[in-house]
Amino acid sequence: EAGVTQFPSHSVIEKGQTVTLRCDPISGHDNLYWYRRVMGKEIKFLLHFVKESKQDESGMPNNRFLAERTGGTYSTLKVQPAELEDSGVYFCASSQDRTGPYFGPGTRLTVL
Amino acid sequence: AQSVTQLGSHVSVSEGALVLLRCNYSSSVPPYLFWYVQYPNQGLQLLLKYTTGATLVKGINGFEAEFKKSETSFHLTKPSAHMSDAAEYFCAVTLSSNTGKLIFGQGTTLQVKP
Repeated sequence: EAGVTQFPSHSVIEKGQTVTLRCDPISGHDNLYWYRRVMGKEIKFLLHFVKESKQDESGMPNNRFLAERTGGTYSTLKVQPAELEDSGVYFCASSQDRTGPYFGPGTRLTVL
Repeated sequence: AQSVTQLGSHVSVSEGALVLLRCNYSSSVPPYLFWYVQYPNQGLQLLLKYTTGATLVKGINGFEAEFKKSETSFHLTKPSAHMSDAAEYFCAVTLSSNTGKLIFGQGTTLQVKP
């Protein structure tokens, strides 16, 4: 069974540009989460989807971040426009019932 | 509010020695507790988790952790360290086993010396 996958693994962009991160959860998992780790800090929750619905987006830092999960399968996280403080590793995780959550390898975002 | 404290951002042990990574939490209700490991250049891997039932939880790669409510602790142990255990370890807590909204500790980097 394939695990959680994320694309790209690395992204380097300039301040003001737009970046879209993608996450493919484990097949059949209704719950999908986004987390972020800024260098030197804890891993922090961003938001939670149940199927295609946003269950909890209390961790989203501001309105420059937009997450979608059309059709309840893969999810995207768009940052527009990117700022320097958005640099970090973005993790996606999925779970179903009482399993997991299982994390993907992360996308390392660098904003110059 | 929930919080997690991992004592020691860096821990160094010799190969074959006991591994003890400390985690304390604060929660107003019984928590669900997790340990994850991140090997170099890889993602987070679930080592073990406590939801209900037996307080001693066994995980992968010979690790185990014991939930001690009276001490609000969930320390991770392994009797004998291997070089391959060198990684960063994260303790996390949530209020429900049905949610993956986790509160993480700061992480502990384990160094294993030959």
